[in-house]
Amino acid sequence: AQSVTQPDIHITVSEGASLELRCNYSYGATPYLFWYVQSPGQGLQLLLKYFSGDTLVQGIKGFEAEFKRSQSSFNLRKPSVHWSDAAEYFCAVGPSGNTPLVFGKGTRLSVIA
Amino acid sequence: DTAVSQTPKYLVTQMGNDKSIKCEQNLGHDTMYWYKQDSKKFLKIMFSYNNKELIINETVPNRFSPKSPDKAHLNLHINSLELGDSAVYFCASSQSALNTEAFFGQGTRLTVV
Repeated sequence: AQSVTQPDIHITVSEGASLELRCNYSYGATPYLFWYVQSPGQGLQLLLKYFSGDTLVQGIKGFEAEFKRSQSSFNLRKPSVHWSDAAEYFCAVGPSGNTPLVFGKGTRLSVIA
Repeated sequence: DTAVSQTPKYLVTQMGNDKSIKCEQNLGHDTMYWYKQDSKKFLKIMFSYNNKELIINETVPNRFSPKSPDKAHLNLHINSLELGDSAVYFCASSQSALNTEAFFGQGTRLTVV
């Protein structure tokens, strides 16, 4: 069964610092991978997605992610974090017919001045 | 023009009551979902419909009954509400059930007292 692991429950970074959020997946075939962001009291917004091709994908709000098949990872990065980036970040894999989009448990990002 | 809209946004009700949450998408998508987000932010699939047909039904109490009158709507009816049903419920839609991103509504925060 497909699964997603986000090892970091909570990360705190200083404004202007770089960010990397980790995501590892387990999937039987070529994975379709996503990063979503959830601001407090809001729904989930898609940041970026990987289906195939270039393993470095660019998303909205200056985020990027790199797919590494050998490490089963899809880590999210941003070179310079803004205070407005404070939110919950979810990595997800799928869907595939009878298997839904499966989410990791999320990483909460706090940004300090 | 909201792509995936849920009503109501907040719902406070007493134990034992029956309530419904409505969801509509105007994206022309074939697939719709209900997810439950618990107090620890974990997102768990409940149901998925493709072209009005139920394709995913996770281990959910049968007090929860989804209904899809057409492709654009997926409503969730909950009977005999319990304290443990308190959560945020998200509706989502995707173009198909295969390898496409999901678009989420703003969520319905259900509080059972």
